[in-house]
Amino acid sequence: NAGVTQTPKFRILKIGQSMTLQCTQDMNHNYMYWYRQDPGMGLKLIYYSVGAGITDKGEVPNGYNVSRSTTEDFPLRLELAAPSQTSVYFCASSYTRLAGGFTDTQYFGPGTRLTVL
Amino acid sequence: KNEVEQSPQNLTAQEGEFITINCSYSVGISALHWLQQHPGGGIVSLFMLSSGKKKHGRLIATINIQEKHSSLHITASHPRDSAVYICAVRGDYGGSQGNLIFGKGTKLSVKP
Repeated sequence: NAGVTQTPKFRILKIGQSMTLQCTQDMNHNYMYWYRQDPGMGLKLIYYSVGAGITDKGEVPNGYNVSRSTTEDFPLRLELAAPSQTSVYFCASSYTRLAGGFTDTQYFGPGTRLTVL
Repeated sequence: KNEVEQSPQNLTAQEGEFITINCSYSVGISALHWLQQHPGGGIVSLFMLSSGKKKHGRLIATINIQEKHSSLHITASHPRDSAVYICAVRGDYGGSQGNLIFGKGTKLSVKP
């Protein structure tokens, strides 16, 4: 299994540009997550999904959009990139049998380092 | 005040030393996670616990729910243990609500 894969690894955007960060998992996990990690700060949840077709906002959703059309894929869309979105983005997934997610082991992708200039 | 506080922020140890990293939190929780972030940036989940103690190889994680405190211990530390160790808690909101709240991490450097 490849686990959780993310593309691209690095990207530089100009202010106002848009892009999609790709995330794919091959473990048949139902939960998927997008986090951002700013220097010296803890990871913060942007969006998460409990299954195909179902997404919900996390702590810092402004400026981002997500969709979950399949179990495997959970892309993160940045519209009108701003310097405040310069960060490292991590996608993660987990298999949760019971209601009450975030209590199971999460598997992380390698991250995407995004710079907005 | 941050809901999840880790101490120390930075830790330098000699190979072979016993290491303790602490995590204190201010909310009621249903689960606590310890994660390891490698120097290259990759994140790996080490433990998820809601009570007691778990052990995996040279790593031991404990939690005291009443005191809202968890510790991660590394026995016989090795330079390959050098990484950032992150504590995260899942608040006890009931049902499917809530998400993980992360600490800022403890950067561990083990010298040979």
